[in-house]
Amino acid sequence: DGGITQSPKYLFRKEGQNVTLSCEQNLNHDAMYWYRQDPGQGLRLIYYSQIVNDFQKGDIAEGYSVSREKKESFPLTVTSAQKNPTAFYLCASKDANSGNTIYFGEGSWLTVV
Amino acid sequence: DAKTTQPPSMDCAEGRAANLPCNHSTISGNEYVYWYRQIHSQGPQYIIHGLKNNETNEMASLIITEDRKSSTLILPHATLRDTAVYYCIVRVAHDSWGKLQFGAGTQVVVTP
Repeated sequence: DGGITQSPKYLFRKEGQNVTLSCEQNLNHDAMYWYRQDPGQGLRLIYYSQIVNDFQKGDIAEGYSVSREKKESFPLTVTSAQKNPTAFYLCASKDANSGNTIYFGEGSWLTVV
Repeated sequence: DAKTTQPPSMDCAEGRAANLPCNHSTISGNEYVYWYRQIHSQGPQYIIHGLKNNETNEMASLIITEDRKSSTLILPHATLRDTAVYYCIVRVAHDSWGKLQFGAGTQVVVTP
């Protein structure tokens, strides 16, 4: 099936540790995105990538890093510099052939303990 | 992107049509109306989008008023699995940022 796969679904991290969230898509989409969603709040854009080997900071990039070495993959690293990392993280990609509709993965819950 | 206004909650009986309204009175000519829904602890699911014509797909229908200041999402035969928060979003389709401004949405509860 075509889609966006995020892993892991649930992750616990100790303070001071970096953690990497995986995002893979087999939709052949060029653009990919990482959002953060806090309880009862909307989405905030962390990073986005329009094409392989290129990415741009979103509104809340501090404490996060990404890479885009392959079209299918856009991993997000939550570093120890992120002051409040506990949140629901969403990866998405954009279908340029269908009204630039953005599709989401199932999300990853990160809890810092 | 234009702001949208939706009712905070709505109940619907299983098997009946659910009509979800959205106001977007400041929408610009090049902005589309998108609808997503989100079930708790899952990623938002795309439902449908449109510019000015009414649209229909296997999930729902989208009715956009002639002045484009409001729209209605119609779920023709609601099921218990349609219980979710529904978001109406207005955005320019060609933007590269991918900034989706989700408001509070409408919590839809489908009851047996």
